[in-house]
Amino acid sequence: QQQVKQSPQSLIVQKGGISIINCAYENTAFDYFPWYQQFPGKGPALLIAIRPDVSEKKEGRFTISFNKSAKQFSLHIMDSQPGDSATYFCAAEVWQLTFGSGTQLTVLP
Amino acid sequence: DADVTQTPRNRITKTGKRIMLECSQTKGHDRMYWYRQDPGLGLRLIYYSFDVKDINKGEISDGYSVSRQAQAKFSLSLESAIPNQTALYFCATSDWRDTQYFGPGTRLTVL
Repeated sequence: QQQVKQSPQSLIVQKGGISIINCAYENTAFDYFPWYQQFPGKGPALLIAIRPDVSEKKEGRFTISFNKSAKQFSLHIMDSQPGDSATYFCAAEVWQLTFGSGTQLTVLP
Repeated sequence: DADVTQTPRNRITKTGKRIMLECSQTKGHDRMYWYRQDPGLGLRLIYYSFDVKDINKGEISDGYSVSRQAQAKFSLSLESAIPNQTALYFCATSDWRDTQYFGPGTRLTVL
């Protein structure tokens, strides 16, 4: 049973545009929601994370929006750049991380 | 991340063979994890260890075993490899319930 559902599976955005990736979860015990970024041939690396006591967290061009009542959270990448092209995974944790299925983002120059 | 190393980086083996994937970390973390990555399925947890004496099964432990030889070393074994274990395998470490740091991965092909 997939506890964290991620969409879209792939996303193509023009340089300077906004990339939006969405995740939904089922387990209300989750209390930590990170996003990981993975480049080809590399392991995932933490990009940004949020806890459910806040509705938004921003770090540079990356923002997490969190809706506890809807059990949804999303990653927004402002002013998307070709260097942002990567696979993005949302995740949720109570004692261990449960990952979404991933979104392959391509930012066109 | 050079702080977490995995060997080998690539491995091709045949059905029925026993293989071991090794992970070492220099971050001084107590917690270590093994994940499997398949296209369209994200990363799935195989086993995790919160300290040297603690081993726990993850979501997909069947067909796998692990050994925590020291705080810095965590090995994953496939006792009798089968083709559907062909995947990308990642080791990760963390300190308490914090950021997980992933190794570069091992690409395993079972023929």
